[in-house]
Amino acid sequence: SQTIHQWPATLVQPVGSPLSLECTVEGTSNPNLYWYRQAAGRGLQLLFYSIGIGQISSEVPQNLSASRPQDRQFILSSKKLLLSDSGFYLCAWSLLRGGTEAFFGQGTRLTVV
Amino acid sequence: TQLLEQSPQFLSIQEGENLTVYCNSSSVFSSLQWYRQEPGEGPVLLVTVVTGGEVKKLKRLTFQFGDARKDSSLHITAAQPGDTGLYLCAGALTGTYKYIFGTGTRLKVLA
Repeated sequence: SQTIHQWPATLVQPVGSPLSLECTVEGTSNPNLYWYRQAAGRGLQLLFYSIGIGQISSEVPQNLSASRPQDRQFILSSKKLLLSDSGFYLCAWSLLRGGTEAFFGQGTRLTVV
Repeated sequence: TQLLEQSPQFLSIQEGENLTVYCNSSSVFSSLQWYRQEPGEGPVLLVTVVTGGEVKKLKRLTFQFGDARKDSSLHITAAQPGDTGLYLCAGALTGTYKYIFGTGTRLKVLA
């Protein structure tokens, strides 16, 4: 069965510090991978998605970046965090060829102080 | 621009009442999914609707996909406190891999 791992679960970082959130998927090949950010009680904002290694589509211009160094690994990064980067970050995978449901990691609660 | 608008944004009802949540777009989707999310967790899939006009039932939940595949609704009959949560619609725009979510509906069912 497929599983998705996202870490860390919670993170408190000072303004101006770097960020690296990692997400890995097991049990499937060539998944579509997604990073979302969610404000409290609201819908998910798509940040980046990737349909293959090294292929990244950015949806929202900001100081975040994403990379996909391996087929089942997706990394969200920032060189210098802003207060406005605080939020709940979710990684997800899907196989659009077989259906468009997305499956989620447990999320990372990021607080920038 | 928010491509998937949900209404209402918030809903607080008494146990036993019925409710409907709407998910609307001006774009066509190949399919739409409905999720429910608990605080601090990722969304969990409830249902997928694929065909225009399709109706699916999941116990007390009824999901409908619009004929033009631009909108969907979720109807809950005799709501229970256990139905409390954030309900999200989502989908991939036809011909793309971009998977987007609706604005969300926060439901609270009071005992």
